[in-house]
Amino acid sequence: SQQGEEDPQALSIQEGENATMNCSYKTSINNLQWYRQNSGRGLVHLILIRSNEREKHSGRLRVTLDTSKKSSSLLITASRAADTASYFCATVQLYNQGGKLIFGQGTELSVKP
Amino acid sequence: GAGVSQTPSNKVTEKGKYVELRCDPISGHTALYWYRQSLGQGPEFLIYFQGTGAADDSGLPNDRFFAVRPEGSVSTLKIQRTERGDSAVYLCASGRDRFYGYTFGSGTRLTVV
Repeated sequence: SQQGEEDPQALSIQEGENATMNCSYKTSINNLQWYRQNSGRGLVHLILIRSNEREKHSGRLRVTLDTSKKSSSLLITASRAADTASYFCATVQLYNQGGKLIFGQGTELSVKP
Repeated sequence: GAGVSQTPSNKVTEKGKYVELRCDPISGHTALYWYRQSLGQGPEFLIYFQGTGAADDSGLPNDRFFAVRPEGSVSTLKIQRTERGDSAVYLCASGRDRFYGYTFGSGTRLTVV
């Protein structure tokens, strides 16, 4: 079963605008990760934020984590047409030694040139 | 190799047949995961290997599914008596441990007709 829920399910913006995607989860986590997927095939790891971190940046990406609300957000600034893809959040549960990821349903982002 | 390699990239099989899907992880990655993804859904965990042993197989849907990793490197996911509901993209990922992101392969699209 999926742990995460993402909001919105689909997002359409113009190039240059910012895109914000939200993720909620149910159980305590060790870390939360964001992945990108083009055309329904391989996923690309974007960023990992640990449970004791509140914010993390990587290039045009900014991730926040609020463990009290069990939620995270991914902000893509100055979006480009090439950012068009599906974005998934995935969690590693706190007491899971194996580190398996539990994915949300994803947000489908469309950036129009 | 430089990335996670999955073969074949596409597989069409008849209902009731047996299939094997192969995953060649990044050299040195001891953790290997199999996921299944249906259209419009997030990846769903199947099984996790740490070295040669299956440390967590709680995601395998039934006893028709089996996976091995005999030498701690290449893994094979085996599906017996395939059903149309097994049609999905099967993704493999490898990693160092749960504190880092994982590298996914491009997946095998399995179609059972």
